[in-house]
Amino acid sequence: QQPVQSPQAVILREGEDAVINCSSSKALYSVHWYRQKHGEAPVFLMILLKGGEQKGHDKISASFNEKKQQSSLYLTASQLSYSGTYFCGTESSPGGATNKLIFGTGTLLAVQP
Amino acid sequence: DAGVIQSPRHEVTEMGQEVTLRCKPISGHDYLFWYRQTMMRGLELLIYFNNNVPIDDSGMPEDRFSAKMPNASFSTLKIQPSEPRDSAVYFCASSPPRLNRNYGYTFGSGTRLTVV
Repeated sequence: QQPVQSPQAVILREGEDAVINCSSSKALYSVHWYRQKHGEAPVFLMILLKGGEQKGHDKISASFNEKKQQSSLYLTASQLSYSGTYFCGTESSPGGATNKLIFGTGTLLAVQP
Repeated sequence: DAGVIQSPRHEVTEMGQEVTLRCKPISGHDYLFWYRQTMMRGLELLIYFNNNVPIDDSGMPEDRFSAKMPNASFSTLKIQPSEPRDSAVYFCASSPPRLNRNYGYTFGSGTRLTVV
């Protein structure tokens, strides 16, 4: 079953913050985050492994709560270049890593000047 | 590195015709994935390979779809016969060996398939 993302869409002004959530009904081994601009391929942002880690680069960071089977992506001081559709990709495997990702429903982020 | 290379970029075909999509993964990546993207269903995993061997094809919609990976540098996704509901963007992606856990998938530019 596909992970559920919320919100479905969000509109921001430059400089504002946003949080995108990803929730799975299955036990998770890892969570990936990708951004896709219109007409382009998804681009890898970061991966979080089980263990409740947090990661970030620049002003984009993420957390992973394996007990709740949830991950959140945090975008701070948003820039116009952050616009696009964000997808979480979840790897579920009771037996360990499979490298197989099921992508979430997507969140459309629009940053306006 | 040229990244993941897919061809063709666009394909328009008539219902009932055979369609073949092609993918060249990044050298050294031993996983290859085929996804289909539509507005209604999002990004769906069709099939994936590890070291040229199909691992999971449970996402292949029906027998009209088939995929092969004859060697580490080439994979095909074939639809025969094609139907209008197959219209979508088909992405190929590759990823490094499982041991390298800091890297995700690299996607190709996709093939936009239109079946009329």
